[in-house]
Amino acid sequence: AQSVTQLDSQVPVFEEAPVELRCNYSSSVSVYLFWYVQYPNQGLQLLLKYLSGSTLVKGINGFEAEFNKSQTSFHLRKPSVHISDTAEYFCAVSDKGFQKLVFGTGTRLLVSP
Amino acid sequence: EPEVTQTPSHQVTQMGQEVILRCVPISNHLYFYWYRQILGQKVEFLVSFYNNEISEKSEIFDDQFSVERPDGSNFTLKIRSTKLEDSAMYFCASSGGGGAASYNEQFFGPGTRLTVL
Repeated sequence: AQSVTQLDSQVPVFEEAPVELRCNYSSSVSVYLFWYVQYPNQGLQLLLKYLSGSTLVKGINGFEAEFNKSQTSFHLRKPSVHISDTAEYFCAVSDKGFQKLVFGTGTRLLVSP
Repeated sequence: EPEVTQTPSHQVTQMGQEVILRCVPISNHLYFYWYRQILGQKVEFLVSFYNNEISEKSEIFDDQFSVERPDGSNFTLKIRSTKLEDSAMYFCASSGGGGAASYNEQFFGPGTRLTVL
């Protein structure tokens, strides 16, 4: 069964600094990878997704992620964060097709001035 | 922009009572899902639904749970006899309706917070 590991439960960072949120998944023949963001008291919003093609994926709000098959990783990065990026970030994986999403435990990004 | 909606936003119930959580998926989507998130924990898959039947369910989705698409727009999750441990945020999601790639992107609703006392 698929599993996702987000090693960092919380990442504090200063405004305008770069950030990387780590995500590793269990190996499978092929996977689809996703990053979702959850702002306080809100639902899940898709940031970006990797389905196939280029391993560098760009998403909304200036975020990007790189799919690394050999390291089974899909780390999320942003070169310069804003206070408004403070939220919970979830990495998720599914097998090809319309299968269920398996989520990681989430990383809380805390951006301070 | 089309979105998934859920009602109510917050439901409080007594242990042993039945609850129905309602969702209106995006209108042209074909696949429907329920997930839950216990406070402070990760989001967990409950069930997926396609063509008026369950396509996959998790171990959490036992006989106390059921799903239904009673009409062309609503998708419901029923918990027959709620337990304290059912307290969680329940998210509905939908996908698939705009070409092959759309099947792989699930759109989530804002969630229903269920509190069982």
